Amino acid sequence: AQSVTQLDSQVPVFEEAPVELRCNYSSSVSVYLFWYVQYPNQGLQLLLKYLSGSTLVKGINGFEAEFNKSQTSFHLRKPSVHISDTAEYFCAVITMNSGGYQKVTFGTGTKLQVIP
Amino acid sequence: KAGVTQTPRYLIKTRGQQVTLSCSPISGHRSVSWYQQTPGQGLQFLFEYFSETQRNKGNFPGRFSGRQFSNSRSEMNVSTLELGDSALYLCASSLDRQGRKSFFGQGTRLTVV
Repeated sequence: AQSVTQLDSQVPVFEEAPVELRCNYSSSVSVYLFWYVQYPNQGLQLLLKYLSGSTLVKGINGFEAEFNKSQTSFHLRKPSVHISDTAEYFCAVITMNSGGYQKVTFGTGTKLQVIP
Repeated sequence: KAGVTQTPRYLIKTRGQQVTLSCSPISGHRSVSWYQQTPGQGLQFLFEYFSETQRNKGNFPGRFSGRQFSNSRSEMNVSTLELGDSALYLCASSLDRQGRKSFFGQGTRLTVV
């Protein structure tokens, strides 16, 4: 079985400060990793994804994440946050089962609160 | 290119009723997945359809069902609604089964009273 853990349910950070949102996963097979953002009263948007290749992935709005296979982590980072980054962030893992079908597991989300 | 369209955006139903939610994927996308989002449980996977067949199912009771049509549009049905079914229901469409180009709709907010 696969699982995704986002240890921090809420992360307050001052504007222009750096932030890291943590995501750890467990899976017995290869994974694809995603970060999604949900702004208040809106649906989910894809921030970035890791499928293969370079372990450092750059996404939209200045976010990046690094895949660390040995630590089974995919932490999301931004060097300087803006008020508009206030939102909830979800980490997700996708694996393929033996039938070639995808299984998706989401973390419980981390609410990023940017303080002016 | 139009995004993923979910209708209706908001819905209020009473306990015991049934509801049908609709999702139109991005043109060319054949995979449609449904998710339930609640403050207490977070985001939970309901089911995935690909080429009109249910490929994966999450851990939800049989009151939750779905289907996909030949044009890839999908519907989700919840029968005998309970108060706990109040949630934001999100639909995602992707180009292939690996979800490499996966896009979400804005969701249908269902309130059961």
